Amino acid sequence: QKEVEQDPGPLSVPEGAIVSLNCTYSNSAFQYFMWYRQYSRKGPELLMYTYSSGNKEDGRFTAQVDKSSKYISLFIRDSQPSDSATYLCAMSDRDDKIIFGKGTRLHILP
Amino acid sequence: DTEVTQTPKHLVMGMTNKKSLKCEQHMGHRAMYWYKQKAKKPPELMFVYSYEKLSINESVPSRFSPECPNSSLLNLHLHALQPEDSALYLCASSQDQRTGRGYGYTFGSGTRLTVV
Repeated sequence: QKEVEQDPGPLSVPEGAIVSLNCTYSNSAFQYFMWYRQYSRKGPELLMYTYSSGNKEDGRFTAQVDKSSKYISLFIRDSQPSDSATYLCAMSDRDDKIIFGKGTRLHILP
Repeated sequence: DTEVTQTPKHLVMGMTNKKSLKCEQHMGHRAMYWYKQKAKKPPELMFVYSYEKLSINESVPSRFSPECPNSSLLNLHLHALQPEDSALYLCASSQDQRTGRGYGYTFGSGTRLTVV
Protein backbone atom coordinates (compact mmCIF):
# COMPACT_ATOMS: atom_id res chain seq x y z
CA GLN A 1 0.00 0.00 0.00
CA LYS A 2 1.40 3.39 -1.00
CA GLU A 3 1.77 5.98 1.75
CA VAL A 4 -0.39 8.51 -0.09
CA GLU A 5 -3.08 7.62 -2.63
CA GLN A 6 -4.59 10.20 -4.99
CA ASP A 7 -6.70 9.61 -8.07
CA PRO A 8 -4.78 11.08 -11.05
CA GLY A 9 -7.95 11.90 -12.99
CA PRO A 10 -8.42 13.75 -15.26
CA LEU A 11 -11.45 15.32 -13.61
CA SER A 12 -13.61 17.55 -15.81
CA VAL A 13 -16.32 19.73 -14.31
CA PRO A 14 -18.37 22.66 -15.67
CA GLU A 15 -17.54 26.21 -14.64
CA GLY A 16 -19.25 27.22 -11.42
CA ALA A 17 -19.45 23.69 -10.01
CA ILE A 18 -18.06 22.63 -6.66
CA VAL A 19 -14.93 20.53 -7.06
CA SER A 20 -13.99 17.85 -4.55
CA LEU A 21 -10.45 16.46 -4.52
CA ASN A 22 -9.22 13.95 -2.01
CA CYS A 23 -6.35 11.78 -0.81
CA THR A 24 -6.04 8.85 1.53
CA TYR A 25 -2.96 7.88 3.47
CA SER A 26 -1.69 5.02 5.56
CA ASN A 27 0.82 6.60 7.97
CA SER A 28 -0.99 7.60 11.16
CA ALA A 29 2.03 9.72 12.17
CA PHE A 30 1.29 12.31 9.48
CA GLN A 31 0.22 15.57 11.09
CA TYR A 32 1.01 18.25 8.48
CA PHE A 33 -1.26 18.29 5.44
CA MET A 34 -0.93 20.46 2.35
CA TRP A 35 -2.53 21.07 -1.01
CA TYR A 36 -0.51 22.43 -3.90
CA ARG A 37 -1.65 23.65 -7.30
CA GLN A 38 0.66 23.19 -10.25
CA TYR A 39 0.16 24.75 -13.66
CA SER A 40 1.87 23.20 -16.65
CA ARG A 41 5.63 23.87 -16.69
CA LYS A 42 5.51 25.74 -13.38
CA GLY A 43 6.50 24.88 -9.82
CA PRO A 44 3.86 23.80 -7.27
CA GLU A 45 2.11 26.63 -5.43
CA LEU A 46 1.00 26.12 -1.85
CA LEU A 47 -2.78 26.55 -1.54
CA MET A 48 -3.60 25.24 1.91
CA TYR A 49 -1.63 24.11 4.95
CA THR A 50 -3.28 22.33 7.87
CA TYR A 51 -1.82 20.99 11.06
CA SER A 52 -3.64 17.96 12.52
CA SER A 53 -7.39 17.53 12.02
CA GLY A 54 -10.09 19.99 11.16
CA ASN A 55 -11.20 22.39 8.46
CA LYS A 56 -9.53 25.44 7.01
CA GLU A 57 -11.10 27.92 4.63
CA ASP A 58 -9.43 30.46 2.36
CA GLY A 59 -11.65 32.23 -0.14
CA ARG A 60 -13.13 29.65 -2.50
CA PHE A 61 -10.95 26.87 -1.08
CA THR A 62 -11.71 24.64 1.90
CA ALA A 63 -9.37 21.94 3.19
CA GLN A 64 -10.59 19.16 5.45
CA VAL A 65 -8.54 16.63 7.38
CA ASP A 66 -10.07 13.53 8.99
CA LYS A 67 -7.24 11.76 10.78
CA SER A 68 -9.52 9.01 12.09
CA SER A 69 -10.28 7.99 8.50
CA LYS A 70 -6.85 8.99 7.16
CA TYR A 71 -8.59 11.09 4.53
CA ILE A 72 -8.05 14.67 3.37
CA SER A 73 -10.11 16.76 0.98
CA LEU A 74 -9.92 20.02 -0.91
CA PHE A 75 -13.12 21.73 -2.03
CA ILE A 76 -13.18 24.48 -4.64
CA ARG A 77 -16.37 26.54 -4.80
CA ASP A 78 -17.53 28.47 -7.86
CA SER A 79 -14.83 26.83 -9.98
CA GLN A 80 -13.25 28.92 -12.73
CA PRO A 81 -11.38 27.95 -15.91
CA SER A 82 -8.26 29.42 -14.26
CA ASP A 83 -8.53 26.65 -11.63
CA SER A 84 -7.60 24.12 -14.33
CA ALA A 85 -4.32 22.64 -13.10
CA THR A 86 -2.87 19.63 -11.34
CA TYR A 87 -3.63 19.51 -7.61
CA LEU A 88 -1.15 17.68 -5.41
CA CYS A 89 -1.85 16.63 -1.86
CA ALA A 90 1.18 16.38 0.40
CA MET A 91 1.73 15.37 3.98
CA SER A 92 4.45 14.88 6.56
CA ASP A 93 5.08 13.65 10.05
CA ARG A 94 7.88 16.06 10.85
CA ASP A 95 7.77 18.74 8.20
CA ASP A 96 11.19 18.18 6.73
CA LYS A 97 10.23 15.45 4.28
CA ILE A 98 6.84 15.74 2.74
CA ILE A 99 5.24 12.93 0.76
CA PHE A 100 3.30 13.94 -2.34
CA GLY A 101 0.31 12.24 -3.87
CA LYS A 102 0.42 11.59 -7.62
CA GLY A 103 -1.68 14.69 -8.33
CA THR A 104 -5.15 15.06 -9.84
CA ARG A 105 -5.47 16.82 -13.19
CA LEU A 106 -8.49 19.12 -13.08
CA HIS A 107 -10.21 20.68 -16.11
CA ILE A 108 -12.85 23.35 -15.60
CA LEU A 109 -15.02 23.55 -18.72
CA PRO A 110 -16.24 27.06 -19.69
CA ASP B 1 10.08 39.03 -1.02
CA THR B 2 8.02 35.83 -1.01
CA GLU B 3 9.68 34.04 -3.89
CA VAL B 4 12.13 31.30 -4.61
CA THR B 5 14.13 32.23 -7.70
CA GLN B 6 15.72 29.56 -9.87
CA THR B 7 18.17 30.03 -12.71
CA PRO B 8 18.43 29.15 -15.48
CA LYS B 9 14.84 28.45 -16.50
CA HIS B 10 15.96 26.10 -19.28
CA LEU B 11 19.20 24.19 -19.72
CA VAL B 12 20.39 21.83 -22.44
CA MET B 13 23.61 20.01 -21.70
CA GLY B 14 25.65 17.20 -23.15
CA MET B 15 26.53 14.09 -21.17
CA THR B 16 30.14 15.27 -20.72
CA ASN B 17 29.26 18.81 -19.61
CA LYS B 18 29.43 20.32 -16.14
CA LYS B 19 26.72 22.80 -15.24
CA SER B 20 25.11 24.24 -12.12
CA LEU B 21 21.56 25.11 -11.15
CA LYS B 22 21.03 27.99 -8.77
CA CYS B 23 18.31 28.76 -6.25
CA GLU B 24 17.85 31.86 -4.10
CA GLN B 25 15.36 32.90 -1.42
CA HIS B 26 15.24 35.93 0.86
CA MET B 27 12.39 34.90 3.15
CA GLY B 28 14.67 33.89 6.01
CA HIS B 29 13.77 30.24 5.52
CA ARG B 30 16.29 27.89 7.07
CA ALA B 31 15.43 24.72 5.19
CA MET B 32 16.00 24.35 1.44
CA TYR B 33 15.26 21.44 -0.85
CA TRP B 34 15.98 20.04 -4.29
CA TYR B 35 13.27 18.05 -6.03
CA LYS B 36 13.19 16.31 -9.40
CA GLN B 37 9.93 16.08 -11.34
CA LYS B 38 9.28 14.01 -14.44
CA ALA B 39 6.31 14.73 -16.68
CA LYS B 40 2.93 13.87 -15.10
CA LYS B 41 4.62 12.65 -11.93
CA PRO B 42 4.81 14.22 -8.47
CA PRO B 43 8.04 15.88 -7.31
CA GLU B 44 10.63 13.48 -5.88
CA LEU B 45 12.84 14.64 -3.03
CA MET B 46 16.59 14.67 -3.75
CA PHE B 47 18.27 16.69 -0.98
CA VAL B 48 17.36 18.66 2.14
CA TYR B 49 19.52 21.36 3.73
CA SER B 50 18.72 22.51 7.23
CA TYR B 51 20.60 25.48 8.60
CA GLU B 52 23.05 25.18 5.70
CA LYS B 53 23.92 21.58 6.46
CA LEU B 54 22.90 18.59 4.36
CA SER B 55 20.35 16.67 6.41
CA ILE B 56 18.77 14.34 3.84
CA ASN B 57 20.21 12.73 0.70
CA GLU B 58 17.69 10.43 -0.91
CA SER B 59 20.35 8.10 -2.33
CA VAL B 60 20.91 10.44 -5.25
CA PRO B 61 23.71 9.46 -7.71
CA SER B 62 26.97 11.31 -7.19
CA ARG B 63 26.65 12.99 -10.58
CA PHE B 64 24.34 15.37 -8.68
CA SER B 65 26.23 17.42 -6.08
CA PRO B 66 24.39 19.92 -3.88
CA GLU B 67 25.93 22.93 -2.22
CA CYS B 68 24.55 25.49 0.23
CA PRO B 69 26.98 28.47 0.34
CA ASN B 70 24.76 30.43 2.75
CA SER B 71 21.25 30.49 4.13
CA SER B 72 19.82 32.16 1.03
CA LEU B 73 21.51 30.17 -1.72
CA LEU B 74 21.35 26.60 -2.90
CA ASN B 75 23.22 25.14 -5.85
CA LEU B 76 23.01 21.82 -7.64
CA HIS B 77 26.14 20.90 -9.55
CA LEU B 78 25.67 18.54 -12.48
CA HIS B 79 28.33 16.35 -14.08
CA ALA B 80 28.22 13.43 -16.51
CA LEU B 81 24.44 13.27 -16.58
CA GLN B 82 22.42 10.74 -18.53
CA PRO B 83 19.47 11.42 -20.86
CA GLU B 84 17.13 9.90 -18.25
CA ASP B 85 18.10 12.75 -15.91
CA SER B 86 16.14 15.13 -18.11
CA ALA B 87 13.40 16.59 -15.91
CA LEU B 88 12.13 19.69 -14.15
CA TYR B 89 14.37 20.44 -11.17
CA LEU B 90 12.58 22.30 -8.42
CA CYS B 91 14.01 24.18 -5.48
CA ALA B 92 11.90 24.83 -2.39
CA SER B 93 12.31 26.44 1.00
CA SER B 94 10.46 26.38 4.30
CA GLN B 95 10.61 28.06 7.68
CA ASP B 96 12.31 26.86 10.84
CA GLN B 97 12.60 23.14 10.36
CA ARG B 98 13.69 22.43 13.91
CA THR B 99 10.43 23.64 15.43
CA GLY B 100 8.44 21.76 12.84
CA ARG B 101 6.60 24.93 11.91
CA GLY B 102 7.34 24.84 8.22
CA TYR B 103 4.00 26.24 7.16
CA GLY B 104 4.43 24.40 3.87
CA TYR B 105 7.06 24.79 1.21
CA THR B 106 7.55 27.63 -1.24
CA PHE B 107 8.67 26.29 -4.60
CA GLY B 108 10.52 28.02 -7.40
CA SER B 109 9.38 27.73 -11.01
CA GLY B 110 12.07 25.17 -11.72
CA THR B 111 14.81 24.58 -14.25
CA ARG B 112 13.79 22.44 -17.19
CA LEU B 113 16.86 20.31 -17.91
CA THR B 114 17.43 18.39 -21.11
CA VAL B 115 20.44 16.06 -21.35
CA VAL B 116 21.48 15.21 -24.90
